[in-house]
Order: sequence, then C-alpha cells, then structure tokens
Amino acid sequence: GEDVEQSLFLSVREGDSSVINCTYTDSSSTYLYWYKQEPGAGLQLLTYIFSNMDMKQDQRLTVLLNKKDKHLSLRIADTQTGDSAIYFCAEGPPGGGYNKLIFGAGTRLAVHP
Amino acid sequence: DAGVTQSPTHLIKTRGQHVTLRCSPISGHKSVSWYQQVLGQGPQFIFQYYEKEERGRGNFPDRFSARQFPNYSSELNVNALLLGDSALYLCASSLAGGETEQFFGPGTRLTVL
Repeated sequence: GEDVEQSLFLSVREGDSSVINCTYTDSSSTYLYWYKQEPGAGLQLLTYIFSNMDMKQDQRLTVLLNKKDKHLSLRIADTQTGDSAIYFCAEGPPGGGYNKLIFGAGTRLAVHP
Repeated sequence: DAGVTQSPTHLIKTRGQHVTLRCSPISGHKSVSWYQQVLGQGPQFIFQYYEKEERGRGNFPDRFSARQFPNYSSELNVNALLLGDSALYLCASSLAGGETEQFFGPGTRLTVL
C-alpha cells in the first residue's frame, strides 16, 4: 500500500539543529522529497533524494535515507525563525510518465528564541 | 521567469454549485498535476495532464474533472459541491510526465458553505 507517516510537531530553539522524520511504504518509489509550506502559501521544493542514495547535503539541509527501514529524515542545521513552517515528506513518482506524489500529513516546525 | 500561477486566490461557493479553478504552468512545462489539501493534511493527488491528455487520476469522484489546453494551462472543474470539498487546491508543473521536479503554485482556497 501507499502510506507516508510523519510526526506532527517539532519545537526547537533558534540555532539548534532540527531533525524531521518520515517513514514510507512504497518500495517502488524512485525519489523521496521534502517540501516546505509557510502559512497561506503553496509548497516549496526543498530537496529530494534518489531512492538508491544514502545521503544528500544541500547547504543547511541534510537528507538521510535508510532504504531497508524505509525511513527518511531531514536535518536543518542552525535553525532560524524563518524555518518555522510545515514540512512535508513525499514519495514518488512511480514511473511510467506518471507524476503522482504521495504526501505525509506534515510536520509543523516551531522555532523559538 | 514567472512560477506557477493559479486563479482565483480565494473562492466561496455554496453546496451544489459548480467551480472552475485555473492554473498556468511554468513556461516550457508541459505537465500539470492537481492536488487537494484539506486543512491539517498533506496534499492528495487528483489528476495529472501531460500533452493535453489525462495521464493519471487519484481516488476522487466523477464530480471532479479537468482539462489541459494547447498552451498547457489547465482547468479543474468540480460539480455539485459538497462541504467536504473545502480545501486548498494546488497545481504542480513539471517539464514532462514522470519528471523528478514538480513545482507548486500558491493554490486556490475554496470554501463551500
């Protein structure tokens, strides 16, 4: 089946690292994504990782993938108040020219001074 | 370059009415996907169109329909609106079907009273 699960809420102090976790079920997914959504806005693509990779780093963002456990994490270094948002993990697309992404319910990140 | 644009920004309708939402993809992108995001949840896939043909459909009733025009813009139509159709409707644009990167518009907030 298709399912993506995330913890719903994370609170961190400004300057600390944030780690947002996600588990997925569809082993046929080719890519795993992290999107950011600020209040009242659409989704911003942050980063993505190919399903045969273990890690990807992009400036303050580090994505770790444990394919055996179907576990994905997003680490944000030196978290700032501007990082406060909802973060969505997504899997897909399934291939064959099909664009469908399956999203988790989102993790709300609150950054406090 | 302009990103994905959607119109209108907000819309209020009553039960039983019909609604049309519009999306213009990024210039050069030929695939458009539609997602429904109910408050507090992640986006759910509704449709994908590529080269003016439907390439995928999520688990939504026939009241939901869409089309893509020769300039690759798209319309999402919902008939016989229900209270449960209240949501943020997001459009995602990509170069083609099965692409790695999909870019989302700001969404249309539909409220059904």
